[in-house]
Amino acid sequence: GAVVSQHPSRVICKSGTSVKIECRSLDFQATTMFWYRQFPKQSLMLMATSNEGSKATYEQGVEKDKFLINHASLTLSTLTVTSAHPEDSSFYICSARSGTVNQPQHFGDGTRLSIL
Amino acid sequence: TQLLEQSPQFLSIQEGENLTVYCNSSSVFSSLQWYRQEPGEGPVLLVTVVTGGEVKKLKRLTFQFGDARKDSSLHITAAQPGDTGLYLCAGASGPGNQFYFGTGTSLTVIP
Repeated sequence: GAVVSQHPSRVICKSGTSVKIECRSLDFQATTMFWYRQFPKQSLMLMATSNEGSKATYEQGVEKDKFLINHASLTLSTLTVTSAHPEDSSFYICSARSGTVNQPQHFGDGTRLSIL
Repeated sequence: TQLLEQSPQFLSIQEGENLTVYCNSSSVFSSLQWYRQEPGEGPVLLVTVVTGGEVKKLKRLTFQFGDARKDSSLHITAAQPGDTGLYLCAGASGPGNQFYFGTGTSLTVIP
């Protein structure tokens, strides 16, 4: 089956640090990748949609200068949380989809980000 | 952002009981999915429904998509402790067919 790998699975860092999270599709080409944020005991909130080779489309209320998304290849997308602060602490999850809009999404196992 | 409200938000039941989780919206979705998520992991897809009025069964789980494709329900028969988890509906909308997740239902099945 389609596998999506996220790295790192957990990161703890000091306030002011920029943190990069990688999302890789291991056995398929992901033309579209999605980034979600999830607070404890809450649902997933879509942050942005990225298509390979083009700029990401951000959801309303998500700061694009704060959450930098790069989707430079068909197997890799990165989310960089710039100058992270404690309020950015959250569970970040990516998903990837190949081909057309009717193809299923495949989720990574998430990254737990803790900012001290 | 398309708002999907799930009810109940929390549910704690005894093993063997039946339950229904509802997912409601004022928006029409091209398709709707149900996921189950364990703490610290990504969500796992249970089912996708596409046609209004569609009913799908997955062992003890029955999923229904509303006729107008605005709402859905998940019914679990004879719940087991292994059913414990966060259940999420997600509706597809927008030019990129993005999925927007519901507010979630946290289910605990007590042995």
